[in-house]
Amino acid sequence: EDQVTQSPEALRLQEGESSSLNCSYTVSGLRGLFWYRQDPGKGPEFLFTLYSAGEEKEKERLKATLTKKESFLHITAPKPEDSATYLCAVQIRAAGNKLTFGGGTRVLVKP
Amino acid sequence: DTGVSQNPRHKITKRGQNVTFRCDPISEHNRLYWYRQTLGQGPEFLTYFQNEAQLEKSRLLSDRFSAERPKGSFSTLEIQRTEQGDSAMYLCASSSTGGGGYTFGSGTRLTVV
Repeated sequence: EDQVTQSPEALRLQEGESSSLNCSYTVSGLRGLFWYRQDPGKGPEFLFTLYSAGEEKEKERLKATLTKKESFLHITAPKPEDSATYLCAVQIRAAGNKLTFGGGTRVLVKP
Repeated sequence: DTGVSQNPRHKITKRGQNVTFRCDPISEHNRLYWYRQTLGQGPEFLTYFQNEAQLEKSRLLSDRFSAERPKGSFSTLEIQRTEQGDSAMYLCASSSTGGGGYTFGSGTRLTVV
């Protein structure tokens, strides 16, 4: 069965304290891995898509990387406005266009 | 175009009542998706349309749920005979055939009392 697991479930950081979020997946035929940010009461906001092992993408203080079994979202020198839930999702070739999401990592950045 | 629009934002209903939600996708997107999200969990796939055709439906979706996308524009999701377990955030997303990330709406939060 295809699985997506995110860790940790929650992360408390001081402003400026860099850290990494993990998304491990057990799927056959990965088409793409997606990262989203979700604020309370809102829909997920698209951040990145990664398609192949070794690929990296950056946006402001966020950097996403992909290996054959997992993806990391690095947050460099976070600010309080980076507080959110970060979701990863996989799209599988045999599963059409749907995304299978992990449970998310809730990040709180304290000033 | 202001993105994916969902209405209503909140809905409180009594158990056993029927409810209908609406989603207006980004106009140039031909793919539309419905997801359900409960507190502390990631979104869970419900169903997917390409234009007006419903191409995939989750096995988790009971017969009380139905979705339509007439003329390949807006979509509606109806839940009949609501149960307390239906309480969740219902998210709509759209994308283009070229792929890339979905754009999600802000969701409709359903509370069944």
